[in-house]
Amino acid sequence: EVQVVESGGGLVQPGRSLRLSCEVSGFPFDEYAMHWVRQAPGKGLEWVSSITWRSGRIDYADSVKGRFTISRDNAKNSLYLQMNSLRPEDTAVYYCVKDISRFGELPPSHAMDVWGQGTTVTVSS
Amino acid sequence: QSALTQPASVSGSPGQSITITCTGTSSDIGYYNYVSWYRHHPGKAPELIIYDVTDRPSGVPDRFSGSKSGNTASLTISGLQAEDEADYYCSAYSSTTTLYVFGFGTRVTVL
Repeated sequence: EVQVVESGGGLVQPGRSLRLSCEVSGFPFDEYAMHWVRQAPGKGLEWVSSITWRSGRIDYADSVKGRFTISRDNAKNSLYLQMNSLRPEDTAVYYCVKDISRFGELPPSHAMDVWGQGTTVTVSS
Repeated sequence: QSALTQPASVSGSPGQSITITCTGTSSDIGYYNYVSWYRHHPGKAPELIIYDVTDRPSGVPDRFSGSKSGNTASLTISGLQAEDEADYYCSAYSSTTTLYVFGFGTRVTVL
C-alpha cells in the first residue's frame, strides 16, 4: 500500500523555525519527484515547493522563496521542508505529495497523485 | 488569492450529472494540457481524479471526466453518488513563477 505520512507540525512563534518530515512507503521513493502543498484555514490549496527524484531541480513559490528549503534523503525514503523566519500567513496544513511521473523531470508536473493527510503548522505569538 | 477561478458550490441529486468549471489564463490552462482535478473529503488526504485534462488514474471510475476549452477546464461527474460530496480543486501548470496554480475549490453537495 502506498503511504505518505507527514510529521513535525505544531505551534511556533513568528520568526522561528520548524522542520517538517514526510516518510513514504509502498513505492520506489527515489524514482519520483515530490512536492509540498499547503492549505491555509478557509483557503484553497497552494503549491509550496517541488524537488526532482535526484534533487537536480528544486523550485519554490515566491511566498516562501529564501525562507523554506526542501530536501530529500532517498536512502531513508524521506522528504523534508525546513521552514525559517515563519510568518502568521504560513499557518496552514502542509501536505507531502508524490508526483505522478516516474523519473519525471520537473517542471512541468503532470499531476500530484498521492497525498498525505497533512500536518498542521500554526504560526502565532 | 488562488489563480484559478472555480464556483464556490455546486449541487445535484443522486444520479444526476454536474459540471465544475475552472477558469485560468493563457499562461496556464490556455497554454498547457497539464490540468488536474482533486477530490478532498475534509480531514482526509486529497485524491487525484483527473490529470492531463482528460486522463483518469487507475481506480477512478469513468463517472469522472475532464475537458478543456480555451482558458477553461471542466470536470463532469455523472451518476452523482453520496460519496462524491466533497471539495474539488483544479490545478494547472503555469509558465509564471508560480509553477503550479490551484483553484479555490468547489464544494459539491449531493442533495
